[in-house]
Amino acid sequence: DAGVIQSPRHEVTEMGQEVTLRCKPISGHDYLFWYRQTMMRGLELLIYFNNNVPIDDSGMPEDRFSAKMPNASFSTLKIQPSEPRDSAVYFCASRPPGRAQGYTFGSGTRLTVV
Amino acid sequence: AQRVTQPEKLLSVFKGAPVELKCNYSYSGSPELFWYVQYSRQRLQLLLRHISRESIKGFTADLNKGETSFHLKKPFAQEEDSAMYYCALFNNAGNMLTFGGGTRLMVKP
Repeated sequence: DAGVIQSPRHEVTEMGQEVTLRCKPISGHDYLFWYRQTMMRGLELLIYFNNNVPIDDSGMPEDRFSAKMPNASFSTLKIQPSEPRDSAVYFCASRPPGRAQGYTFGSGTRLTVV
Repeated sequence: AQRVTQPEKLLSVFKGAPVELKCNYSYSGSPELFWYVQYSRQRLQLLLRHISRESIKGFTADLNKGETSFHLKKPFAQEEDSAMYYCALFNNAGNMLTFGGGTRLMVKP
């Protein structure tokens, strides 16, 4: 089991550019979560999916952020246009139908917008 | 609504000293609680689940329903325990975790 796989690990982009972050959940996990982590705000839930359907996107900061899950093995988080304040570590996590195991997190994407 | 509170943002102890990371929760019903650990620049990893009553890396956590607490304890801290620790609680619907603000543990030599 390779765990939750995120790409890229690091991304440096210029303000105004489009950024796409990718996540492959663990096979058989039917929930997928996107989090943002910063020193100032800690860990923030952006959006989560259940069976590829977005359930709660109330944490998405604004219209510049969008997330998709076209199938059970892939999700993207897109920022367009990016701004310096979007600089953060973005984590993807997945969990199986049962709750006992909690979440499994990916290694994160460290985004720097200059 | 459920809430998880970790009152200490930073906890600093010397190697070999006991450690207690506090976690308080508000929840109606039977809570399902977890502790996650994040070492420097790494992903969050599951450390403990209250349901399994296990001890991992010398850490234990006991659910106290009367005090609505789930404090994480270790009798003798090690330098490699330095990390961010997050307490988390499943919501009423049981589909997502509510995380506390985290506590940074620093173990000094």
